[in-house]
Amino acid sequence: ETGVTQTPRHLVMGMTNKKSLKCEQHLGHNAMYWYKQSAKKPLELMFVYNFKEQTENNSVPSRFSPECPNSSHLFLHLHTLQPEDSALYLCASSQDGGRGDTEAFFGQGTRLTVV
Amino acid sequence: RKEVEQDPGPFNVPEGATVAFNCTYSNSASQSFFWYRQDCRKEPKLLMSVYSSGNEDGRFTAQLNRASQYISLLIRDSKLSDSATYLCVVRRAKGGADGLTFGKGTHLIIQP
Repeated sequence: ETGVTQTPRHLVMGMTNKKSLKCEQHLGHNAMYWYKQSAKKPLELMFVYNFKEQTENNSVPSRFSPECPNSSHLFLHLHTLQPEDSALYLCASSQDGGRGDTEAFFGQGTRLTVV
Repeated sequence: RKEVEQDPGPFNVPEGATVAFNCTYSNSASQSFFWYRQDCRKEPKLLMSVYSSGNEDGRFTAQLNRASQYISLLIRDSKLSDSATYLCVVRRAKGGADGLTFGKGTHLIIQP
């Protein structure tokens, strides 16, 4: 059982579709993150939320729209994606008490294919 | 220059051998350092944090050289189950939530 749960695990969508990825953490953490992992590329940070407030947007295109209604839930809304957006999307959470050396726990990811 | 650089490998190593990975980072403001492990088609999981004085966890030893902006991981008496991709990870901020920056990973294959 994982403390960070992502749904769906797999998603195939057309370029004109709108879909959402969901992440829920059961660890009581105050920070949540979206990462993208493409083939042969390092994990790329997309968004950071701390206490529900977005603190970092790593130059992500507007076709990706995050939403954090509370500290336990994080969504990534997708619309008019491109085939090159196909990747594994990973959610993570951490408890940042000021030291910055706390571990990030990852969900199992959503494998997205855009056709 | 990439923020975190690692040799992608693969490193093919016989069971029982000692293997070392290196990693360099470009941002001198980086404050926290980690090694994560990622198995095929799974999420990354923390292997160990890396401290300035160096630290050991069983068969694993991590070292940090801030002057050279260099991190290393040593695995002794390697096991078949050590086969995975090892990700070098840094975090900029010392306090507050700040995203982790990942290297591409070093692929390790332990052979029987």
